[in-house]
Amino acid sequence: NAGVIQTPRHKVTGKGQEATLWCEPISGHSAVFWYRQTIVQGLEFLTYFRNQAPIDDSGMPKERFSAQMPNQSHSTLKIQSTQPQDSAVYLCASNWGNQDTQYFGPGTRLLVL
Amino acid sequence: GEKVEQHESTLSVREGDSAVINCTYTDTASSYFPWYKQEAGKSLHFVIDIRSNVDRKQSQRLIVLLDKKAKRFSLHITATQPEDSAIYFCAASMATGNYKYVFGAGTRLKVIA
Repeated sequence: NAGVIQTPRHKVTGKGQEATLWCEPISGHSAVFWYRQTIVQGLEFLTYFRNQAPIDDSGMPKERFSAQMPNQSHSTLKIQSTQPQDSAVYLCASNWGNQDTQYFGPGTRLLVL
Repeated sequence: GEKVEQHESTLSVREGDSAVINCTYTDTASSYFPWYKQEAGKSLHFVIDIRSNVDRKQSQRLIVLLDKKAKRFSLHITATQPEDSAIYFCAASMATGNYKYVFGAGTRLKVIA
């Protein structure tokens, strides 16, 4: 079991550019969660999917951020027109979709210059 | 919405002593409380959890206590070892179909040899 896979592990982008982050959940898991970690804000929930359907995107900034889960094996988080304040570690987690342990990936460290 | 407060931002203990990290939550609907460990430069690693139908759970040197009346839960690490040094995060999750985590701010534990 490879665990949750996130790519890329590091991304540097210029202000105003687009960034797409990828997450491959553990095989068989039906729920995918996205969180963001910064020194100032800590760990913040962004959005989550269950059986590929969006369940809660209450943590997503209303503009520029979007997430999709086109199939069981991957989810993407897209940030348009990136800003320096988007710099963070973006964490993806998965589980079987019920009230259970979430397993976290290694994260994508995004730096917006 | 739910808020989780983690009371100790840093904690130093001598090797072999016990460490206690305390968290409080606000929403009585929260019923699942996991703890994660984050070592420097790494992602979140699940360590132990507790559900609201019990008030104590132990896994080797880790004990979690839950006081639903006070909306408080705590992680006790007994016989601490240098490898226990890390940042520990508590979290709360509800059992209403939305299983996102709300995290505390983290406690940096240092075990002094």
